[in-house]
Amino acid sequence: EAGVAQSPRYKIIEKRQSVAFWCNPISGHATLYWYQQILGQGPKLLIQFQNNGVVDDSQLPKDRFSAERLKGVDSTLKIQPAKLEDSAVYLCASSSFAETQYFGPGTRLLVL
Amino acid sequence: GENVEQHPSTLSVQEGDSAVIKCTYSDSASNYFPWYKQELGKRPQLIIDIRSNVGEKKDQRIAVTLNKTAKHFSLHITETQPEDSAVYFCAASKSNTGKLIFGQGTTLQVKP
Repeated sequence: EAGVAQSPRYKIIEKRQSVAFWCNPISGHATLYWYQQILGQGPKLLIQFQNNGVVDDSQLPKDRFSAERLKGVDSTLKIQPAKLEDSAVYLCASSSFAETQYFGPGTRLLVL
Repeated sequence: GENVEQHPSTLSVQEGDSAVIKCTYSDSASNYFPWYKQELGKRPQLIIDIRSNVGEKKDQRIAVTLNKTAKHFSLHITETQPEDSAVYFCAASKSNTGKLIFGQGTTLQVKP
């Protein structure tokens, strides 16, 4: 089966600019997650969707981050405006039940 | 809040030796514990997981043990090979949420 797809793979922006990431989960997976992985740390959950509804966004910095999952399939994560500390890898994961999660290759963001 | 502590942060072993990585979780309601392997620049890959209704699970050279009373679980890799070199992350979740709380990661180096 095809895995989780993400794009772009790399992005370099200036601080205060905006950026968007895209994720396509494994076909049939109802649950989609966005994680932020700062260098040298474990992934941290930003937001979890069940179909197109938000289950958990308690750690999403809502003043600058937003995410949506239209039609319960693809998802986009946006940062506006970006800060230096947003430099990280943004990982998308999906699962068919609320347990085994499969990760995409990630988007590596560098904010200058 | 929910927390997962992982030790050691780095581990170096000779090829053929065993490696053990330990994690402690804070939320006693956690009942699902996956382990992910992440090679440099790659996505996290699930290598083994365990649920709270069992104390041990094995898959070839990899095993995981769980002590619910002490709230800790461990990854055991036997007969290590150079291709086992990677960063390993433990995680914990409550199955009704799917939200994974990750440890800080262990960098395993297997010397030929």
